[in-house]
Amino acid sequence: GAGVSQTPSNKVTEKGKYVELRCDPISGHTALYWYRQSLGQGPEFLIYFQGTGAADDSGLPNDRFFAVRPEGSVSTLKIQRTERGDSAVYLCASSGQVSSYNEQFFGPGTRLTVL
Amino acid sequence: RKEVEQDPGPFNVPEGATVAFNCTYSNSASQSFFWYRQDCRKEPKLLMSVYSSGNEDGRFTAQLNRASQYISLLIRDSKLSDSATYLCVVLGASNTGKLIFGQGTTLQVKP
Repeated sequence: GAGVSQTPSNKVTEKGKYVELRCDPISGHTALYWYRQSLGQGPEFLIYFQGTGAADDSGLPNDRFFAVRPEGSVSTLKIQRTERGDSAVYLCASSGQVSSYNEQFFGPGTRLTVL
Repeated sequence: RKEVEQDPGPFNVPEGATVAFNCTYSNSASQSFFWYRQDCRKEPKLLMSVYSSGNEDGRFTAQLNRASQYISLLIRDSKLSDSATYLCVVLGASNTGKLIFGQGTTLQVKP
């Protein structure tokens, strides 16, 4: 079956611009996660959705970052006034449920470069 | 101090060697532990869960020492295809499924 997909695969933007990154989770998965991975580091948690609601957004670095999941499936991560330090690979993951641990399946990521 | 710490390596070993990676975690309330594998410019994929009793999957053995807050991964008879970054991962204590990753340890297996 289809895995997690993310678009675009690469995004180059200029400092100060707005970007949107999209995630299509595995069909039927209710839990969706965004992580950010900088070069040479492990992924870092940003936000978790259970259904349509953001159940944990404690990882968002500041108010320039925002994410939505209006229909409980596709999610969009939005970054305003991008900065060079935002350059990283943004990974999305989904899992079937979260009450007990279920494996998170990761998408291929969006590589964001802010010039 | 990072919540999950690993030696980034790289570990360069010949084919057939046995190699061990270690990891420590800071939150004693953590309950679930994993090793993920990440190939260059690819997404992380679950390699195996780690249990207190230790668990084995073919050439891979994972161990957990709760008293020392220490996790290990042993790879026997290394193959060229084992070359990758191995990420030590702890499930966050917030019960949201949030994963906390170590920096990763890079393994390069050479012929």
